[in-house]
Amino acid sequence: GQQVMQIPQYQHVQEGEDFTTYCNSSTTLSNIQWYKQRPGGHPVFLIQLVKSGEVKKQKRLTFQFGEAKKNSSLHITATQTTDVGTYFCAGPADYGQNFVFGPGTRLSVLP
Amino acid sequence: SQTIHQWPATLVQPVGSPLSLECTVEGTSNPNLYWYRQAAGRGLQLLFYSVGIGQISSEVPQNLSASRPQDRQFILSSKKLLLSDSGFYLCAWSVRRGDGYTFGSGTRLTVV
Repeated sequence: GQQVMQIPQYQHVQEGEDFTTYCNSSTTLSNIQWYKQRPGGHPVFLIQLVKSGEVKKQKRLTFQFGEAKKNSSLHITATQTTDVGTYFCAGPADYGQNFVFGPGTRLSVLP
Repeated sequence: SQTIHQWPATLVQPVGSPLSLECTVEGTSNPNLYWYRQAAGRGLQLLFYSVGIGQISSEVPQNLSASRPQDRQFILSSKKLLLSDSGFYLCAWSVRRGDGYTFGSGTRLTVV
């Protein structure tokens, strides 16, 4: 069946270091979404990428959609303690109205 | 503006007891509605989604059921809870297929 995978599962960085999480799908995606979930909180929508090779930036966050539309990445420059949380990617389900979420990458930032 | 309300925030229930979690959306009409479950430290598992009143799609066989009695109301139920039903239950909505989800604040359910 359809799978959305993310690596790494966990990442510990020192404040100020960069961070990247990678998302890979077993099928070609029409679009991909990214969410952030703070500890104890609920997922919050960050961005949606639609075009092959698309790159979007939100301040220190850079999102990229692969040329083959089967992978994506989220890069954070100069991490801050406010970046702590779990980052999920999600792609449209092959069937149905929903999105399939990856298992997430949990980011810890040491001050 | 649109808002989503989910309650209760936390719930401790004994095994075998019933469950009813409610989710309501304000400020929009005919939303797509979703119930997800998140086990501790894990990803999001879709339980049910609905594209309209009375229309429920179930993703996994389980001890739970869902209903949509009104356009902006989505209810998650169980007749008899199991220990394995413990988790973080999240309601979400989107305008249409392909749009980003807005999640509610979630319900942390512990079955004891």
